[in-house]
Amino acid sequence: DTAVSQTPKYLVTQMGNDKSIKCEQNLGHDTMYWYKQDSKKFLKIMFSYNNKELIINETVPNRFSPKSPDKAHLNLHINSLELGDSAVYFCASSKGDILNTEAFFGQGTRLTVV
Amino acid sequence: AQSVSQHNHHVILSEAASLELGCNYSYGGTVNLFWYVQYPGQHLQLLLKYFSGDPLVKGIKGFEAEFIKSKFSFNLRKPSVQWSDTAEYFCAVNVKAAGNKLTFGGGTRVLVKP
Repeated sequence: DTAVSQTPKYLVTQMGNDKSIKCEQNLGHDTMYWYKQDSKKFLKIMFSYNNKELIINETVPNRFSPKSPDKAHLNLHINSLELGDSAVYFCASSKGDILNTEAFFGQGTRLTVV
Repeated sequence: AQSVSQHNHHVILSEAASLELGCNYSYGGTVNLFWYVQYPGQHLQLLLKYFSGDPLVKGIKGFEAEFIKSKFSFNLRKPSVQWSDTAEYFCAVNVKAAGNKLTFGGGTRVLVKP
């Protein structure tokens, strides 16, 4: 059983399109995150949700809109995709906040914008 | 802003060699420290973590790390690597004052030759 699962694993799309990446965790965690890994492998947090409530929004363009229908899901919708959005996006979850525990990561979604 | 530096981007070594990966962070307050590993095609997995107590932390698969507060370092070590240790290794820091997020280093790609 995959603890944190993301779909799709690969996504190739044209500039200007709108796309979504889905994330689900079956760990019973109440905090979920989106991280972006750029071409140089730097991982940077984008968003954090706790019990469906936005906690962290790290100056991400408003073309990126996370949506948490329930605490087991945190989807990422991206409007008007740009070349610079090409990256690997990782979803993660933790029990409570990261101050006291570890984060569990999904396998990543490799987004390529052409 | 806090930052995390991993000194080596690529490391190539032979089986049975010893491994040490450097990690330094820039924040002087209370921190939690992590090492994650990403095997080819897989998700990020926690190797070990430090919250408090003994600064020498033992993790899975024979890895250990030592927190040296005076040097702002959390270096990862393994006395004798195996081919299966080929992976990307990420150091991460949570600064308690900065909230519910992990700040990652740029990663070190380790290739173990059989």
